[in-house]
Amino acid sequence: QLQLRESGPGLVKPSETLSLSCTVSGASISSTSYYWDWIRQPPGKGLEWIASIYYTGTTYYNPSLKSRVTASVDTSKNQFSLKLSSVTAADTAVYYCARHSPVSGSYLWAFDIWGQGALVTVSS
Amino acid sequence: QSALTQPASVSGSPGQSITISCSGTSSDVGSYKFVSWYQQYPGKAPKLMIYEVSKRPSGVSDRFAGSKSGTTASLTISGLRAEDEADYYCCSYAGSSTLIFGGGTKLTVL
Repeated sequence: QLQLRESGPGLVKPSETLSLSCTVSGASISSTSYYWDWIRQPPGKGLEWIASIYYTGTTYYNPSLKSRVTASVDTSKNQFSLKLSSVTAADTAVYYCARHSPVSGSYLWAFDIWGQGALVTVSS
Repeated sequence: QSALTQPASVSGSPGQSITISCSGTSSDVGSYKFVSWYQQYPGKAPKLMIYEVSKRPSGVSDRFAGSKSGTTASLTISGLRAEDEADYYCCSYAGSSTLIFGGGTKLTVL
């Protein structure tokens, strides 16, 4: 059974870099059918798509966050990661990893598997 | 890239039907058949309920139905049940391999 699990520091200081990883279990991150995503949700607010990454390292970013976001993948560890630089209190959120498929025959352009989420608080 | 527009809240009585709208633009909802809907309970991860505008994943009740007209997508829940009380989010493909969510709608079952 495919599972995603986020991990990383729960507290980050303002102006520093937020770093999270997502471990994929039950399937290979090197599947040609899926992209792997980061999505966040500030407390009491809505969802925001942050980034997608393919196992080859191809990335796509939310234009509003692109200047501060870096996504990467480590196929040897079956993990993908997120770095968000110059964080402020506005970046406090639950960060989810998820997957979607751009391939016909799957749940096209929909997030079908999600991690449980990781709360990251930006505070000094 | 602005968030899709959803009503902040909707409500209905058990057994009734409700519809949640999701308004976008010609750059997202209006141009693609890739609208999805998610159900989220407090403290939990979202769950995929509808994909490609109107398709249901295996295991999702047929009480949930999606549709689209122009730049507005809709989620209709029929035969409301107490367990349907949750937050609902729409999401659309927005071109160039990017995606955009709606602001979310809180459904209250009276």
